[in-house]
Amino acid sequence: GQNIDQPTEMTATEGAIVQINCTYQTSGFNGLFWYQQHAGEAPTFLSYNVLDGLEEKGRFSSFLSRSKGYSYLLLKELQMKDSASYLCVYRMDSSYKLIFGSGTRLLVRP
Amino acid sequence: DTGVSQDPRHKITKRGQNVTFRCDPISEHNRLYWYRQTLGQGPEFLTYFQNEAQLEKSRLLSDRFSAERPKGSFSTLEIQRTEQGDSAMYLCASSPGGEGRVAYFGPGTRLTVL
Repeated sequence: GQNIDQPTEMTATEGAIVQINCTYQTSGFNGLFWYQQHAGEAPTFLSYNVLDGLEEKGRFSSFLSRSKGYSYLLLKELQMKDSASYLCVYRMDSSYKLIFGSGTRLLVRP
Repeated sequence: DTGVSQDPRHKITKRGQNVTFRCDPISEHNRLYWYRQTLGQGPEFLTYFQNEAQLEKSRLLSDRFSAERPKGSFSTLEIQRTEQGDSAMYLCASSPGGEGRVAYFGPGTRLTVL
């Protein structure tokens, strides 16, 4: 992905907590999104941060630090169905286009 | 509202043929995006419309690619003289106007060029 770094793969156990980190570099920034993508399917929206801090949404939370160009997605009480790719995405302020990272493939094991 | 729809879902074509894909966005979403995704990579931006105006095109979009959104509703993406390297998933997304609006993706069109 364009100027976005996130781990390629992660493995975690069902019921556990996992944190997926993302760093980005851009001259214009207008929000950070996380999308989930199951194999062969389209990305689905998980969370959005535009200001610094933590946004919580059920089992999913996302954090943003604009000064550090850093975000993380926290998944709690992992379920087998959470096995998917998680895409870190920023929106450019000049054009509103979304720039995607290559994604982190998460495998949840029993 | 049934979400973003794309047609066809799958397309197999021979090298050199032309193909056209259609995207129907969520009603009243004035922004429409086309992305291309290959295996193991995140979606790559191709082009973006606000209403009927095509506001930005990626350098990835060679002169063989053209996109239209004639009435500010559905959009088409045409690839002329397809090449094997065009094989990918083509994703369409739409969002309402305004700050922080979420983009919703369609199911994609998987293109295979033989």
